[in-house]
Amino acid sequence: EAQVTQNPRYLITVTGKKLTVTCSQNMNHEYMSWYRQDPGLGLRQIYYSMNVEVTDKGDVPEGYKVSRKEKRNFPLILESPSPNQTSLYFCASSSPGLRVDEQFFGPGTRLTVL
Amino acid sequence: AQKVTQAQTEISVVEKEDVTLDCVYETRDTTYYLFWYKQPPSGELVFLIRRNSFDEQNEISGRYSWNFQKSTSSFNFTITASQVVDSAVYFCALSEADSNYQLIWGAGTKLIIKP
Repeated sequence: EAQVTQNPRYLITVTGKKLTVTCSQNMNHEYMSWYRQDPGLGLRQIYYSMNVEVTDKGDVPEGYKVSRKEKRNFPLILESPSPNQTSLYFCASSSPGLRVDEQFFGPGTRLTVL
Repeated sequence: AQKVTQAQTEISVVEKEDVTLDCVYETRDTTYYLFWYKQPPSGELVFLIRRNSFDEQNEISGRYSWNFQKSTSSFNFTITASQVVDSAVYFCALSEADSNYQLIWGAGTKLIIKP
């Protein structure tokens, strides 16, 4: 089944404790992206990657890191999480040959930073 | 400036009523795409429709219909004979050729359908 998976789905952590949210897609997509969703703000892009070893900042990259060492994986790293990073996070990917906006979304990761 | 405006933060209607969700966008690009996504209480994002800037034809899919009007920069979404299962947050989004087609999202409209 074609899908984008994220792990964990739910995470409660404390300020300053490094964490990684994994994202994996099995559709051989070149484009992958991370968004955060906050009430009243819709989805905002954190980082995106057009291909392996190519990453770019989105609208709200501060406090986050990403890497794209393999086509299928695009982990989101919070080196020192803070409470303002409490949010719902979505990973997305896009099929090669289509434009980046035709995206498949993962199920979301709900992160709480205490 | 906000590029995608969903002015209705929350709408509540009784089942079987028709309801329209508004979306107003702003772009200088001549080539762009507009989207609607549904986010049910379970949290996942469900793609509903994509419309390109060169196609102003209205779209109907079952109880759902979309009205794209370039003259007013609007892409409104109507649910006819609403059902409780339509309760969700609905997002409108824009992608522009000039921005490499990155998605720009509205803030969302929470739709509550009461039985």
